[in-house]
Amino acid sequence: EADIYQTPRYLVIGTGKKITLECSQTMGHDKMYWYQQDPGMELHLIHYSYGVNSTEKGDLSSESTVSRIRTEHFPLTLESARPSHTSQYLCASSGPPSGPEGYTFGSGTRLTVV
Amino acid sequence: KNQVEQSPQSLIILEGKNCTLQCNYTVSPFSNLRWYKQDTGRGPVSLTIMTFSENTKSNGRYTATLDADTKQSSLHITASQLSDSASYICVVSDRGSTLGRLYFGRGTQLTVWP
Repeated sequence: EADIYQTPRYLVIGTGKKITLECSQTMGHDKMYWYQQDPGMELHLIHYSYGVNSTEKGDLSSESTVSRIRTEHFPLTLESARPSHTSQYLCASSGPPSGPEGYTFGSGTRLTVV
Repeated sequence: KNQVEQSPQSLIILEGKNCTLQCNYTVSPFSNLRWYKQDTGRGPVSLTIMTFSENTKSNGRYTATLDADTKQSSLHITASQLSDSASYICVVSDRGSTLGRLYFGRGTQLTVWP
């Protein structure tokens, strides 16, 4: 069962549109992350958060922005989508590193910009 | 440079057969190593997590091994099933930051044929 939810699962949108990808978790985790993954490639960290009102950029430069107003919610926004933004976006959250909660991923949002 | 290398890149086996996937890493200082299963278009799902002191860990038909001296891990799948067809990702975490930074391999794409 999923304790971290991403919506929408699939999104096809035109160039220039503003979009927000939603991510919510019910585990009370402080740390949350956004990853970008292209087919056959490794995940790249684009944003992370240690807690409410804390956001940082990850390793991979991204034109997206994030916010963390509530512990359970970590949305990602693209102000003006471009075809180069086409990718899979995965949200994750983490509890204690070695505990059973560990690191949990959402099911992802497959974004296509046409 | 911290890296995670997986082999083979892809693998095709017949249903019922066993297989072993390899992961070599150079991440230091080492915290833990995780194996994830990622179905096409879905988020990764955790199979095992091992710390420095653990040599082997099982989860049903999945058995992971870790040799922290040689920085190698393997994932052995026993009596494969069609549902095992997926990408298997090796992820290593370091102890160098509060974030508990994750380093991802590109995955091994496993296909199980009937």
